[in-house]
Amino acid sequence: NAGVTQTPKFRVLKTGQSMTLLCAQDMNHEYMYWYRQDPGMGLRLIHYSVGEGTTAKGEVPDGYNVSRLKKQNFLLGLESAAPSQTSVYFCASSYGTGVTGELFFGEGSRLTVL
Amino acid sequence: DQQVKQNSPSLSVQEGRISILNCDYTNSMFDYFLWYKKYPAEGPTFLISISSIKDKNEDGRFTVFLNKSAKHLSLHIVPSQPGDSAVYFCAAISSGSARQLTFGSGTQLTVLP
Repeated sequence: NAGVTQTPKFRVLKTGQSMTLLCAQDMNHEYMYWYRQDPGMGLRLIHYSVGEGTTAKGEVPDGYNVSRLKKQNFLLGLESAAPSQTSVYFCASSYGTGVTGELFFGEGSRLTVL
Repeated sequence: DQQVKQNSPSLSVQEGRISILNCDYTNSMFDYFLWYKKYPAEGPTFLISISSIKDKNEDGRFTVFLNKSAKHLSLHIVPSQPGDSAVYFCAAISSGSARQLTFGSGTQLTVLP
């Protein structure tokens, strides 16, 4: 089972460049999320989606945009990368009902902005 | 202001002994708590959870205790094994938040053989 797949796994950008991280899930989950993990900060929610065609801001949305055109895909875009966006990015998905909150995570994408 | 705090960045335990990982929270609206485990170069994976209506949940070697009055939860691993060495994240969720989990900063557990 593929579960949640993120591409690319690693990327180095120069300040001001743009890029898109792709997340794909094959579990037919309604909810999808993008988190970033920084040392000593845990995981912080960037944006999330509760269904195809919907997106919402999380805790740290500035500098990022997202799109959920298809239920299985959730894209995270950086229009003008900054060194502060150097981080490990995790995509996650979950079922659309219940309150258990269990998320299924991808393996992460390490982004370095020079 | 961190709503979920894990004040110990690291913990070392001898194999076979008990590991106790702690987590404190400040938001009284949290009603469900989870622990995630993360190995290097992998995404976090769900370990165990507890509802606020309970004070204990057990799954094999893993037990989570919740003290609502103290806004404190702990994860006990007995007996600890070298394969348990990982970063453990505490997370909390409040009903109606579209399942926005709030994570702690994590504790690196090292189980020494």
